[in-house]
Amino acid sequence: RKEVEQDPGPFNVPEGATVAFNCTYSNSASQSFFWYRQDCRKEPKLLMSVYSSGNEDGRFTAQLNRASQYISLLIRDSKLSDSATYLCVVNDGGSQGNLIFGKGTKLSVKP
Amino acid sequence: GAGVSQSPRYKVAKRGQDVALRCDPISGHVSLFWYQQALGQGPEFLTYFQNEAQLDKSGLPSDRFFAERPEGSVSTLKIQRTQQEDSAVYLCAIGTANSYNEQFFGPGTRLTVL
Repeated sequence: RKEVEQDPGPFNVPEGATVAFNCTYSNSASQSFFWYRQDCRKEPKLLMSVYSSGNEDGRFTAQLNRASQYISLLIRDSKLSDSATYLCVVNDGGSQGNLIFGKGTKLSVKP
Repeated sequence: GAGVSQSPRYKVAKRGQDVALRCDPISGHVSLFWYQQALGQGPEFLTYFQNEAQLDKSGLPSDRFFAERPEGSVSTLKIQRTQQEDSAVYLCAIGTANSYNEQFFGPGTRLTVL
């Protein structure tokens, strides 16, 4: 089975903290990598695509290690509004782009 | 969701009932996906359409599940003779045309089978 593994958490951090999430994926054919954010009882929303060279978007930094099949997300200066479940997602390597999701890591940012 | 609406948002069905879930993407999106998200799990792929053609239905869990997109826009996911294990959120997603194949999800339909 092609899987994506993540620490389910929860990660409970104070405002302003830096927090890192990691995930591993088993399908070496995967070509596209993403972090999605999902709030309670809402749909997943694309947070960042993850590129081979790593990429940054404001307080969020994503890294990809293809050799180790490992993806990370770093959140700096956490805000209360960052509280959500973060889903690590890869495509299945096929041309259609079917996505394979991890179960998610729950983050709770406290005042 | 970004450019995708789904209806109904909530559906309660008695075991054995048939249900139909609708996905209405903004026009022009070629790729459409259905996913099933059980409680505490990540979404799991069900089926994929390219325009009106259903190119992949490998994720449909049983022959009680059927999807269609006859005019290449609105899609319907039908579940016949619903079972309790069908209780989940059913998510529709549209794919982008870029090489990275990003997907954007509708708000989902939460199905509860009693």
